[in-house]
Amino acid sequence: KQEVTQIPAALSVPEGENLVLNCSFTDSAIYNLQWFRQDPGKGLTSLLLIQSSQREQTSGRLNASLDKSSGRSTLYIAASQPGDSATYLCAVSGSARQLTFGSGTQLTVLP
Amino acid sequence: EPEVTQTPSHQVTQMGQEVILRCVPISNHLYFYWYRQILGQKVEFLVSFYNNEISEKSEIFDDQFSVERPDGSNFTLKIRSTKLEDSAMYFCASSADQTHYGYTFGSGTRLTVV
Repeated sequence: KQEVTQIPAALSVPEGENLVLNCSFTDSAIYNLQWFRQDPGKGLTSLLLIQSSQREQTSGRLNASLDKSSGRSTLYIAASQPGDSATYLCAVSGSARQLTFGSGTQLTVLP
Repeated sequence: EPEVTQTPSHQVTQMGQEVILRCVPISNHLYFYWYRQILGQKVEFLVSFYNNEISEKSEIFDDQFSVERPDGSNFTLKIRSTKLEDSAMYFCASSADQTHYGYTFGSGTRLTVV
């Protein structure tokens, strides 16, 4: 059974810092990995999708990498802003044809 | 950008009552899903739906739950007799396929069972 772990569970940084969120998964037989953002009490906003054949994807200040063989992904956020404060979720899609989510990293960017 | 729309945004119901949560997936998507998130816990898979039938379901999705696509646009989740532990945020999602395209999630329905 796929298990997804995210470290750290919470992170607080001053505005302007670059930061890295980590995601690991136990079964490397995945189709893709998706990073989501969740604001308190709100829905899931897709940030980046990485196919299993890809190594990284970029969107603006966000860069996600994937190392399928080691079961790891990172989400890099450059020049963080207070508006980046949210919970970031990693989810993998595999042979079970469903997304398995991590518990998330709660990010606070201090002005 | 196309959206998945969920209604209502918040529903309060008494224990034992039936509730129907509604979703309008993205029009050209073929796969539809329900997930739930109990407060403070992980987002969990409930059920996937393709070609007018359930393709997979989790152990959470017992006989109290059902899904339906009553017309060409709506996708519903029915909980027949709600329990206190059904209180959660329920998310609908859709995707164009299950391998190459990502999932688009709705903004969720917060269900509170009292």
